[in-house]
Amino acid sequence: DAGVIQSPRHEVTEMGQEVTLRCKPISGHDYLFWYRQTMMRGLELLIYFNNNVPIDDSGMPEDRFSAKMPNASFSTLKIQPSEPRDSAVYFCASSSTEAFFGQGTRLTVV
Amino acid sequence: AQSVTQLDSQVPVFEEAPVELRCNYSSSVSVYLFWYVQYPNQGLQLLLKYLSGSTLVKGINGFEAEFNKSQTSFHLRKPSVHISDTAEYFCAVSVTSYDKVIFGPGTSLSVIP
Repeated sequence: DAGVIQSPRHEVTEMGQEVTLRCKPISGHDYLFWYRQTMMRGLELLIYFNNNVPIDDSGMPEDRFSAKMPNASFSTLKIQPSEPRDSAVYFCASSSTEAFFGQGTRLTVV
Repeated sequence: AQSVTQLDSQVPVFEEAPVELRCNYSSSVSVYLFWYVQYPNQGLQLLLKYLSGSTLVKGINGFEAEFNKSQTSFHLRKPSVHISDTAEYFCAVSVTSYDKVIFGPGTSLSVIP
């Protein structure tokens, strides 16, 4: 297996634009997590899914953020509209017995 | 709720010297404990984990950690560090071995030649 795959690796966008981050979990893993990493706040859990169903979205900062998991092999995290303070590295992880992380998407909102 | 404290934000150490990175956790229920490493511009990689059994856990790259329930600690150690160990190290907890993982703030280990 190629591991957890995130795309794009880097994204630069202008304030107000919609941003979509993508994640392909490891096949057979039934949990999927979205984390955000910043210097100020460290690694924060935004939302996680079990068997494609959102279990806990209490970490999603505000209504501009949304996440979906339409099937077991794909998830998206969308920010609309984006703001400069959303600049961060966003990680996706999947797990069955332990969590494996993707390489992350570095988002810069200018 | 669970939380993790890593008291040392930065730890400089000379090459081939021993190192200990400290981690304390807080939880009202039993937890599983993890150490992850993040190399520059990379994702997180699992170093080791404590699920049950022996309190001394050995991981990859020569690292080990000891679970101390009475002190709610899970310190990471390596007897002799290499330049390649320079990275960010995160202690983490989870209520199950596969559920959401709560991370500490991280410790930046810098190995000096």
